[in-house]
Amino acid sequence: AQKITQTQPGMFVQEKEAVTLDCTYDTSDPSYGLFWYKQPSSGEMIFLIYQGSYDQQNATEGRYSLNFQKARKSANLVISASQLGDSAMYFCAMRELNNAGNMLTFGGGTRLMVKP
Amino acid sequence: DSGVTQTPKHLITATGQRVTLRCSPRSGDLSVYWYQQSLDQGLQFLIQYYNGEERAKGNILERFSAQQFPDLHSELNLSSLELGDSALYFCASSVDHGRVVEKLFFGSGTQLSVL
Repeated sequence: AQKITQTQPGMFVQEKEAVTLDCTYDTSDPSYGLFWYKQPSSGEMIFLIYQGSYDQQNATEGRYSLNFQKARKSANLVISASQLGDSAMYFCAMRELNNAGNMLTFGGGTRLMVKP
Repeated sequence: DSGVTQTPKHLITATGQRVTLRCSPRSGDLSVYWYQQSLDQGLQFLIQYYNGEERAKGNILERFSAQQFPDLHSELNLSSLELGDSALYFCASSVDHGRVVEKLFFGSGTQLSVL
């Protein structure tokens, strides 16, 4: 079974509007972390935001916030006031503490395109 | 800048050849992870080292090997290269010193082209 599912292969958003990128996950480990990374066309993988499974509050980092719904096993990324520079691939990922090696498992990604 | 350094940025080689990719983790990070990103397979975990020892293996081919040195830098060796090995190879590092989930930070990747 897929551990991380991103159901939106591609999305458009108008500049200055907010956009939500969906991510659902599957784990039985009570200790895990959820991550979002941005990959622009230049190829680097940029860390955006992190949510721990025990965190009570939703994580925020500037224009990025993570809508964490633990019971639903979802960790959607919200980007407010989209900018042209936000056009990129976005990956949701998970680390499970009790998984040997506790490596990051990635979803398939969502390509976001910001329209001027 | 993530603090993780990967060299070279680009590598073009021929089938059957052998290449070495290098990674220097962030200062203080003990874990190094290698990932392969290709168009058809997405981001695949290859192997992890922690403080010099192999900790976990993913979808790593037998033609590939890695090691982590005492100064914590790591090398990924790819041999008998095939066209299908063309991909973006990422190194990531994490401190991983306790029983908490730590963040992973990625290098800028090595784009390997096998011709």
